[in-house]
This record gives sequence, structure tokens and C-alpha cells, in this order.
Amino acid sequence: DQQVKQNSPSLSVQEGRISILNCDYTNSMFDYFLWYKKYPAEGPTFLISISSIKDKNEDGRFTVFLNKSAKHLSLHIVPSQPGDSAVYFCAASAQYTGNQFYFGTGTSLTVIP
Amino acid sequence: EAGVAQSPRYKIIEKRQSVAFWCNPISGHATLYWYQQILGQGPKLLIQFQNNGVVDDSQLPKDRFSAERLKGVDSTLKIQPAKLEDSAVYLCASSSRTGGNSPLHFGNGTRLTVT
Repeated sequence: DQQVKQNSPSLSVQEGRISILNCDYTNSMFDYFLWYKKYPAEGPTFLISISSIKDKNEDGRFTVFLNKSAKHLSLHIVPSQPGDSAVYFCAASAQYTGNQFYFGTGTSLTVIP
Repeated sequence: EAGVAQSPRYKIIEKRQSVAFWCNPISGHATLYWYQQILGQGPKLLIQFQNNGVVDDSQLPKDRFSAERLKGVDSTLKIQPAKLEDSAVYLCASSSRTGGNSPLHFGNGTRLTVT
């Protein structure tokens, strides 16, 4: 039962342009959402999060948008840089589950110089 | 701040053998998680500890997997006997609290290959 889905396995973007990574979820009880970035042979690194009481959170070049009615979140990277090339995972949790996190299958982003 | 430490980085064993992984979380982090990540999939929770007590082990295959967290700090995950389908990266993560909004911090993982 995949509660968090990333339907695009890969994405290629030109350097300097915007990268948009998408994530859908099925559990309406999720109230905390995160994005992780993973380089090969390393563990996932926390990137940015958003609480369900907000619809947008921004940190430098990274912005996460949350659409609760559509059960959809997205990560925008502007401008994209070659160092952003990595696999991006979205994750969601609900307080009633004691902060257990459910992860999507990841989207591999390639930023072309 | 030192990150989550895991060892070994790589392990190759034959099926039916046993293997153990070690994790040292970020200092002061009460909550520790073990995740299994199979190639092409997202991390899947195996077990969650709060201090040295188990919060959730519903997805841990208890007939072959076991985990402990001594004194609420370090943790070990053991597989005995291993199967081919256990080939995966085993990730340890920690967070400063359970419940509420607190991100997980991951180690670099142990890549297990079962032949």
C-alpha cells in the first residue's frame, strides 16, 4: 500500500531553469511533509519541510507547495544547478502514528550544464 | 554536530548466513529508526525506538530480523538467516523527538548483498 507516490522516476532540466518535482499522497491524516535529497552511496539528506497548516515554505532556492485538497505537494528549485542532480524523495507523517514517515519511490533529477 | 554513524558500509554474505549492522545516532536524539531501501524503492520503516523502547516494529520480519538499542543510544540490527530478498541498503536515522514536526537525519547506510 503505497501511501506516498512519486510518479515521475526521472526529470532532466537545463541549468538555470526551474525544476519541479511532484508528490501525491493518499492519507488525509498526514500533517507533516518533507523532501530529502540523496546522492549515490550516501544517505538521504533533509532538504525542506512543510506543516499541513501552511501551503508554502521557502528556503533559498527551494520552495515546497502543499495542496491539501488535492493531496499533492511539489518542490520547486530555482534556479537549478548541476549540483542539484540527485534523487529526491518526498516523505509524509502523521502525529497519530508517532511520527512514522512514509517515503515515495524517488525522482532522479539531472541538471544539464 | 556529528551525524548518524553506521557500519559497515558494505557487506556481502551468502544466503542463510547471519549479519549485523551498527548505528550511533546524533547525540541527544531520543528516537532512532531502521529503514530498508531496496533498489528503485523508497525507504521502508523496519523498526522505531524511543530511547531504548520499541515504538513500532510492525513491519519488521521478526522470524529473521531483530534489533536492539542498548542504553537508549547505539543500536544494532541483525538478520539471521539472510535471504536473497534481504539485499538492500539498511539506513539508520535519528530525530530529536517523536511526534510533532521533527525531520529524520540519516546515516550513509549499509549496503547488503546476499548471494
